[in-house]
Amino acid sequence: EIVLTQSPATLSLSPGERGTLSCRASQSVSNSLAWYQQKPGQAPRLLIYDASNRATGIPARFSGSGSGTDFTLTISSLEPEDFAVYYCQQRSNWSDTFGQGTKLEIK
Amino acid sequence: QVQLVQSGAEVKKPGASVKVSCKASGYTFTGYYMHWVRQAPGQGLEWMGWINPNSGATNYAQQFQGRVTMTRDTSINTAHMEMSRLRSDDTAVYYCAPRQSWGTTFDYWGQGTLVTVSS
Repeated sequence: EIVLTQSPATLSLSPGERGTLSCRASQSVSNSLAWYQQKPGQAPRLLIYDASNRATGIPARFSGSGSGTDFTLTISSLEPEDFAVYYCQQRSNWSDTFGQGTKLEIK
Repeated sequence: QVQLVQSGAEVKKPGASVKVSCKASGYTFTGYYMHWVRQAPGQGLEWMGWINPNSGATNYAQQFQGRVTMTRDTSINTAHMEMSRLRSDDTAVYYCAPRQSWGTTFDYWGQGTLVTVSS
């Protein structure tokens, strides 16, 4: 099973600042990595697929990069609605795994 | 538009079983595998497995094998996830999410079903 490790566990920033979240895979996943945002009481929402492609309707301030084992989600200028928990996810042959999440909180 | 409507919250005793349903609409039900993902309170997302609604084939995450059964009823576009021998650490919100066999992401999610296991 491929393990995804996210860092940091918690990120404290102010609106307008740049947010950088990391996801590291225990073995190469090529570019097959996605990012999700989850707010309290809601299902996750797909933000980024194939490491760097924004899903439909996702603002341009969200961007993804990386390949192989190291990936980054960047939020260029934080809006109040961006404070949430973010998960990375990968699919291998027979199973999916999620990272443990990064909580982005208001400083 | 894709809609996934899950059954309501459940409270079960340890050792009991629970069956959660997910009614799909807005897409071809048999064309997408139905995945199940759970989330314990305050914890992260955990993938449980999938069912191919077309064939009935299933694939379960290793940690759930022997306790989880995924089924479907194509006449009413509904998928089910049944878990037996419930423990307190099975308390979680359970989500359904469809995905094509070659897909890698979960674009749509049910609203979630809270299952509480408590004596």
